[in-house]
Amino acid sequence: DADVTQTPRNRITKTGKRIMLECSQTKGHDRMYWYRQDPGLGLRLIYYSFDVKDINKGEISDGYSVSRQAQAKFSLSLESAIPNQTALYFCATRGAEITGELFFGEGSRLTVL
Amino acid sequence: KNEVEQSPQNLTAQEGEFITINCSYSVGISALHWLQQHPGGGIVSLFMLSSGKKKHGRLIATINIQEKHSSLHITASHPRDSAVYICAVRSKAAGNKLTFGGGTRVLVKP
Repeated sequence: DADVTQTPRNRITKTGKRIMLECSQTKGHDRMYWYRQDPGLGLRLIYYSFDVKDINKGEISDGYSVSRQAQAKFSLSLESAIPNQTALYFCATRGAEITGELFFGEGSRLTVL
Repeated sequence: KNEVEQSPQNLTAQEGEFITINCSYSVGISALHWLQQHPGGGIVSLFMLSSGKKKHGRLIATINIQEKHSSLHITASHPRDSAVYICAVRSKAAGNKLTFGGGTRVLVKP
């Protein structure tokens, strides 16, 4: 099994629909992240969480929300999807030490029509 | 201006050639990551550096903290090395969050 699993891997939806992307990890890490990748742009941080009770906004959190249901699970929601949220989304985890290695999921490709 | 700059943006090499990708950053960092992303695939962490040099197989990563510069070298390149290579830095100035470079797209031709 993969260390970090994202579902769904691909999703096509319509403007205005609510979408949830799920992430689960088996690394036992406290720190989890959601990133967005667009062509020609670097990865950008949407939200991050350092433990179950900790949720923090990243640089592009508008239009998104998250839920940390358990140490191993971190979900990203688009309450009302819009076309410019079409992107590749990545979940990642990291150990607590400051130089902890990163582990990424396989990515969730979202298309909003 | 992006705090992490990679060069070149694109690179084409013949199989067997030595490849170098560069990463420059503008702030003091606690760690630098090199990541690999295959077409349509996920992202894999190759190296995490805070000083010196690391080697794994045909890949070598170096960092010069004083010059705020890191390089990723691929020796005896192979078509399976074709991917996007991403540099990311972790700094206290950014709350220990990662700042990513734009990536270097590498194509190795047989």
